Amino acid sequence: AQTVTQSQPEMSVQEAETVTLSCTYDTSESDYYLFWYKQPPSRQMILVIRQEAYKQQNATENRFSVNFQKAAKSFSLKISDSQLGDAAMYFCAYRIYGNKLVFGAGTILRVKS
Amino acid sequence: EPEVTQTPSHQVTQMGQEVILRCVPISNHLYFYWYRQILGQKVEFLVSFYNNEISEKSEIFDDQFSVERPDGSNFTLKIRSTKLEDSAMYFCASGGTAGEEQFFGPGTRLTVL
Repeated sequence: AQTVTQSQPEMSVQEAETVTLSCTYDTSESDYYLFWYKQPPSRQMILVIRQEAYKQQNATENRFSVNFQKAAKSFSLKISDSQLGDAAMYFCAYRIYGNKLVFGAGTILRVKS
Repeated sequence: EPEVTQTPSHQVTQMGQEVILRCVPISNHLYFYWYRQILGQKVEFLVSFYNNEISEKSEIFDDQFSVERPDGSNFTLKIRSTKLEDSAMYFCASGGTAGEEQFFGPGTRLTVL
């Protein structure tokens, strides 16, 4: 069964600094997708970034980038120039083509001014 | 920008009562999902729906749960006889293709008393 592990229940970062959130996953599939979702206090699930496993290049989206290590089954999220609005719960998620999302337990990110 | 909508935003019900949670997916999407999140916990998959039938369901999705797409636009989740442990945030999601990311609605908070 596929599992997603986020080992950091909570992280803090100073405004304008950089923070990295960790995620590892377990799968026997070779083709899959990985995502980071942000959940602010409103509890809306907002897609931050996605990565296709067949792509070697790490995805980037403005201040958000990932470090995808397929052999290590690792998918970390780096947030540069952190802003107060980045404070939220962040979920790492995995899916195979056409299938359900499997979520990690989440990491609460606190941003200090 | 198209978005997934859900109604109601908050539903309070008595244990044993039936509830129907409603979702309007993005109009040209073909894949539909329900997830739930018990407060403070991770998001869990309930069921996926494609081509007018359930394509996958989790062990949570027992006989008390059902889904329907009654009119080509709405996508509903029915819980026949609610239990206290059904109290959670229920998210609807839709996707245009099997490989595309899932777009989440704002959620319905269900409180069972």
